[in-house]
Amino acid sequence: KNQVEQSPQSLIILEGKNCTLQCNYTVSPFSNLRWYKQDTGRGPVSLTIMTFSENTKSNGRYTATLDADTKQSSLHITASQLSDSASYICVVSAQSGAGSYQLTFGKGTKLSVIP
Amino acid sequence: DAGITQSPRHKVTETGTPVTLRCHQTENHRYMYWYRQDPGHGLRLIHYSYGVKDTDKGEVSDGYSVSRSKTEDFLLTLESATSSQTSVYFCAARDLGNTIYFGEGSWLTVV
Repeated sequence: KNQVEQSPQSLIILEGKNCTLQCNYTVSPFSNLRWYKQDTGRGPVSLTIMTFSENTKSNGRYTATLDADTKQSSLHITASQLSDSASYICVVSAQSGAGSYQLTFGKGTKLSVIP
Repeated sequence: DAGITQSPRHKVTETGTPVTLRCHQTENHRYMYWYRQDPGHGLRLIHYSYGVKDTDKGEVSDGYSVSRSKTEDFLLTLESATSSQTSVYFCAARDLGNTIYFGEGSWLTVV
């Protein structure tokens, strides 16, 4: 069964500090891995998407890494801001047919940035 | 922004009544999805569509049906709402680059 595990479940950090969120997965056959940010009461918004051959991808202060051998990904947030307070969701895609994909969602890490 | 709008955004309904949630997109995406999000669970797929009149079940499809008569609209219907269907429902659409865009959610409470 495809699974995505995220850690920690929740995290509180001081504004201006860096943090790293983890995602471990057992999904096959792997197609890509995505990180989403979900503000409270809003829909998820895409931060990054990485394929098998990509080790790292950045989007502003967000940097995602992927180790396809160990089936691990991390999302690093640099110089956190209050607006970074949100849930961060790791989503792994498995190809299930021509043009068809099965997405497995992690439960998310809830990040709180405090002044 | 894939121009996805959901309606209604909030609804309270009684057990046993039918409910329809609407998802509208403006970018002509072929693939559309309905998910539910509950505490302690990741987003779970209810149904998806890969074209007009082409739909298929997801992992939690019992008690739900969908219809897609036009590319831009994807409807989710709860035939007879139950308290276990109290949830936040998200519609999504996938572009050709495989980016998935989500709507803002529909909060449904079944009392």
